[in-house]
Amino acid sequence: AQKITQTQPGMFVQEKEAVTLDCTYDTSDQSYGLFWYKQPSSGEMIFLIYQGSYDEQNATEGRYSLNFQKARKSANLVISASQLGDSAMYFCAMREDLSGGSYIPTFGRGTSLIVHP
Amino acid sequence: DADVTQTPRNRITKTGKRIMLECSQTKGHDRMYWYRQDPGLGLRLIYYSFDVKDINKGEISDGYSVSRQAQAKFSLSLESAIPNQTALYFCATPETGGGGELFFGEGSRLTVL
Repeated sequence: AQKITQTQPGMFVQEKEAVTLDCTYDTSDQSYGLFWYKQPSSGEMIFLIYQGSYDEQNATEGRYSLNFQKARKSANLVISASQLGDSAMYFCAMREDLSGGSYIPTFGRGTSLIVHP
Repeated sequence: DADVTQTPRNRITKTGKRIMLECSQTKGHDRMYWYRQDPGLGLRLIYYSFDVKDINKGEISDGYSVSRQAQAKFSLSLESAIPNQTALYFCATPETGGGGELFFGEGSRLTVL
Protein backbone atom coordinates (compact mmCIF):
# COMPACT_ATOMS: atom_id res chain seq x y z
CA ALA A 1 0.00 0.00 0.00
CA GLN A 2 1.16 3.48 -0.79
CA LYS A 3 2.48 5.35 2.20
CA ILE A 4 2.16 8.73 0.53
CA THR A 5 -0.89 9.51 -1.57
CA GLN A 6 -1.20 12.52 -3.83
CA THR A 7 -4.65 12.32 -5.38
CA GLN A 8 -4.29 15.21 -7.83
CA PRO A 9 -2.25 14.23 -10.89
CA GLY A 10 -2.68 17.73 -12.30
CA MET A 11 -3.78 21.10 -11.01
CA PHE A 12 -4.35 24.47 -12.65
CA VAL A 13 -4.33 27.86 -10.95
CA GLN A 14 -4.55 31.44 -12.06
CA GLU A 15 -1.53 33.62 -11.45
CA LYS A 16 -1.68 35.46 -8.09
CA GLU A 17 -4.23 33.03 -6.66
CA ALA A 18 -3.58 30.52 -3.90
CA VAL A 19 -3.52 26.77 -4.54
CA THR A 20 -3.55 23.73 -2.26
CA LEU A 21 -1.82 20.50 -3.21
CA ASP A 22 -3.08 17.49 -1.31
CA CYS A 23 -1.00 14.85 0.45
CA THR A 24 -2.10 12.10 2.79
CA TYR A 25 0.23 9.66 4.47
CA ASP A 26 0.10 6.36 6.26
CA THR A 27 2.33 5.44 9.20
CA SER A 28 1.98 3.93 12.62
CA ASP A 29 5.12 5.64 13.88
CA GLN A 30 4.97 8.49 16.35
CA SER A 31 8.13 10.14 15.04
CA TYR A 32 8.16 11.06 11.37
CA GLY A 33 8.54 14.02 9.10
CA LEU A 34 6.90 15.34 5.96
CA PHE A 35 8.52 17.20 3.11
CA TRP A 36 7.52 18.89 -0.08
CA TYR A 37 9.82 19.10 -3.09
CA LYS A 38 9.45 20.96 -6.36
CA GLN A 39 10.68 19.65 -9.70
CA PRO A 40 10.62 22.22 -12.52
CA SER A 41 10.79 21.13 -16.14
CA SER A 42 14.59 21.32 -15.97
CA GLY A 43 14.48 18.23 -13.75
CA GLU A 44 16.25 19.19 -10.54
CA MET A 45 14.64 18.47 -7.18
CA ILE A 46 14.20 21.49 -4.92
CA PHE A 47 13.36 21.21 -1.22
CA LEU A 48 10.50 23.51 -0.22
CA ILE A 49 9.29 22.84 3.30
CA TYR A 50 9.41 20.40 6.21
CA GLN A 51 7.05 19.50 9.05
CA GLY A 52 7.97 17.22 11.94
CA SER A 53 5.32 15.05 13.54
CA TYR A 54 5.86 16.73 16.90
CA ASP A 55 5.76 20.27 15.54
CA GLU A 56 2.63 21.94 16.85
CA GLN A 57 2.64 24.85 14.46
CA ASN A 58 2.25 24.54 10.72
CA ALA A 59 5.50 25.14 8.86
CA THR A 60 5.84 28.18 6.64
CA GLU A 61 8.56 29.20 4.19
CA GLY A 62 7.82 32.39 2.32
CA ARG A 63 4.83 31.74 0.05
CA TYR A 64 4.74 28.08 1.02
CA SER A 65 2.90 26.73 4.02
CA LEU A 66 2.16 23.22 5.11
CA ASN A 67 -1.34 22.54 6.41
CA PHE A 68 -0.58 19.68 8.79
CA GLN A 69 -3.57 17.79 10.16
CA LYS A 70 -2.16 14.93 12.18
CA ALA A 71 -5.45 13.24 13.03
CA ARG A 72 -6.38 13.15 9.37
CA LYS A 73 -2.83 12.19 8.36
CA SER A 74 -2.69 14.96 5.84
CA ALA A 75 0.08 17.41 4.97
CA ASN A 76 -1.20 19.68 2.24
CA LEU A 77 1.02 22.28 0.61
CA VAL A 78 -0.45 25.74 0.21
CA ILE A 79 1.16 28.11 -2.27
CA SER A 80 -0.04 31.67 -1.89
CA ALA A 81 0.04 34.26 -4.67
CA SER A 82 0.99 31.79 -7.40
CA GLN A 83 3.62 32.82 -9.91
CA LEU A 84 4.32 31.52 -13.40
CA GLY A 85 7.56 30.05 -12.07
CA ASP A 86 5.58 27.83 -9.72
CA SER A 87 4.59 25.65 -12.67
CA ALA A 88 6.28 22.34 -11.87
CA MET A 89 5.83 18.86 -10.43
CA TYR A 90 5.40 18.78 -6.68
CA PHE A 91 6.23 15.76 -4.56
CA CYS A 92 5.19 15.02 -1.03
CA ALA A 93 7.57 12.78 0.92
CA MET A 94 7.65 11.18 4.34
CA ARG A 95 10.58 10.42 6.57
CA GLU A 96 10.12 7.25 8.55
CA ASP A 97 12.63 7.15 11.36
CA LEU A 98 14.68 4.02 11.94
CA SER A 99 16.79 3.16 14.95
CA GLY A 100 20.08 4.97 15.20
CA GLY A 101 18.75 8.19 13.79
CA SER A 102 18.63 7.00 10.19
CA TYR A 103 15.57 7.19 8.04
CA ILE A 104 14.13 6.17 4.70
CA PRO A 105 12.32 8.80 2.65
CA THR A 106 9.22 7.70 0.72
CA PHE A 107 7.72 9.79 -2.07
CA GLY A 108 4.26 10.24 -3.49
CA ARG A 109 3.55 10.11 -7.21
CA GLY A 110 3.49 13.85 -7.58
CA THR A 111 1.14 16.60 -8.70
CA SER A 112 1.72 18.65 -11.81
CA LEU A 113 0.87 22.29 -11.23
CA ILE A 114 0.31 24.70 -14.10
CA VAL A 115 -0.02 28.39 -13.37
CA HIS A 116 -1.97 30.36 -15.98
CA PRO A 117 -1.24 34.03 -16.63
CA ASP B 1 30.31 23.24 -7.22
CA ALA B 2 27.21 21.17 -6.58
CA ASP B 3 26.90 19.33 -3.28
CA VAL B 4 25.88 16.14 -5.08
CA THR B 5 27.22 15.35 -8.54
CA GLN B 6 26.00 12.63 -10.85
CA THR B 7 27.66 11.31 -13.98
CA PRO B 8 26.68 10.82 -16.70
CA ARG B 9 23.82 13.31 -16.97
CA ASN B 10 22.47 11.56 -20.05
CA ARG B 11 23.21 8.12 -21.46
CA ILE B 12 21.73 6.09 -24.27
CA THR B 13 22.62 2.44 -24.23
CA LYS B 14 21.49 -0.85 -25.72
CA THR B 15 19.76 -3.81 -24.17
CA GLY B 16 22.20 -6.13 -22.46
CA LYS B 17 24.91 -3.56 -21.89
CA ARG B 18 26.40 -2.90 -18.48
CA ILE B 19 26.17 0.65 -17.30
CA MET B 20 27.30 2.47 -14.19
CA LEU B 21 25.88 5.69 -12.80
CA GLU B 22 28.19 7.50 -10.44
CA CYS B 23 27.41 9.80 -7.57
CA SER B 24 29.70 11.85 -5.38
CA GLN B 25 28.89 14.26 -2.58
CA THR B 26 30.90 16.96 -0.87
CA LYS B 27 28.66 17.21 2.21
CA GLY B 28 30.64 14.68 4.25
CA HIS B 29 27.44 12.74 4.94
CA ASP B 30 27.29 9.03 5.70
CA ARG B 31 23.85 8.37 4.24
CA MET B 32 23.21 8.13 0.53
CA TYR B 33 20.26 6.99 -1.57
CA TRP B 34 19.55 6.02 -5.17
CA TYR B 35 16.08 6.71 -6.58
CA ARG B 36 14.42 6.06 -9.87
CA GLN B 37 11.76 8.41 -11.29
CA ASP B 38 9.18 7.30 -13.81
CA PRO B 39 6.30 9.50 -15.03
CA GLY B 40 3.25 8.99 -12.82
CA LEU B 41 5.12 6.84 -10.33
CA GLY B 42 7.11 9.41 -8.40
CA LEU B 43 10.49 8.51 -6.95
CA ARG B 44 11.12 4.95 -5.88
CA LEU B 45 14.02 3.85 -3.74
CA ILE B 46 16.48 1.44 -5.36
CA TYR B 47 19.29 1.13 -2.79
CA TYR B 48 20.48 3.03 0.23
CA SER B 49 23.61 3.16 2.34
CA PHE B 50 23.99 4.51 5.86
CA ASP B 51 27.77 4.28 5.89
CA VAL B 52 30.63 2.85 3.85
CA LYS B 53 30.08 -0.71 5.08
CA ASP B 54 26.29 -0.60 4.91
CA ILE B 55 24.25 -1.41 1.78
CA ASN B 56 20.50 -2.00 1.79
CA LYS B 57 17.96 -2.89 -0.86
CA GLY B 58 15.11 -0.54 -1.45
CA GLU B 59 11.70 -1.01 -2.98
CA ILE B 60 12.90 -1.85 -6.51
CA SER B 61 16.42 -3.30 -6.32
CA ASP B 62 16.00 -6.14 -8.85
CA GLY B 63 18.29 -5.64 -11.82
CA TYR B 64 20.50 -3.16 -10.00
CA SER B 65 23.58 -3.30 -7.80
CA VAL B 66 25.50 -0.64 -5.93
CA SER B 67 28.96 0.04 -4.61
CA ARG B 68 29.94 2.42 -1.83
CA GLN B 69 33.55 3.07 -2.68
CA ALA B 70 34.05 5.78 -0.08
CA GLN B 71 31.98 8.01 2.14
CA ALA B 72 31.62 10.44 -0.73
CA LYS B 73 30.93 7.97 -3.56
CA PHE B 74 27.95 5.73 -4.22
CA SER B 75 27.62 4.08 -7.64
CA LEU B 76 24.63 2.36 -9.19
CA SER B 77 25.13 -0.40 -11.78
CA LEU B 78 22.82 -2.05 -14.26
CA GLU B 79 24.55 -5.34 -15.06
CA SER B 80 22.45 -6.04 -18.14
CA ALA B 81 20.27 -3.10 -19.04
CA ILE B 82 16.73 -3.64 -20.29
CA PRO B 83 14.32 -1.12 -21.87
CA ASN B 84 12.08 -0.84 -18.80
CA GLN B 85 15.05 0.55 -16.90
CA THR B 86 14.72 3.67 -19.01
CA ALA B 87 14.17 6.36 -16.39
CA LEU B 88 15.57 9.39 -14.59
CA TYR B 89 17.87 8.35 -11.75
CA PHE B 90 18.64 10.48 -8.71
CA CYS B 91 21.28 10.19 -6.06
CA ALA B 92 20.61 11.97 -2.77
CA THR B 93 22.03 12.52 0.69
CA PRO B 94 20.05 13.84 3.68
CA GLU B 95 20.89 16.90 5.70
CA THR B 96 22.19 15.86 9.09
CA GLY B 97 20.34 18.52 11.01
CA GLY B 98 16.86 19.98 10.96
CA GLY B 99 14.33 17.74 9.30
CA GLY B 100 16.84 15.87 7.20
CA GLU B 101 15.78 17.19 3.83
CA LEU B 102 17.47 15.55 0.86
CA PHE B 103 20.18 17.10 -1.25
CA PHE B 104 19.71 15.70 -4.74
CA GLY B 105 22.08 15.33 -7.62
CA GLU B 106 21.08 16.78 -10.96
CA GLY B 107 19.78 13.43 -12.15
CA SER B 108 20.98 10.92 -14.74
CA ARG B 109 18.63 10.31 -17.65
CA LEU B 110 19.11 6.77 -18.94
CA THR B 111 17.59 5.42 -22.14
CA VAL B 112 17.87 1.73 -22.90
CA LEU B 113 17.10 0.82 -26.51
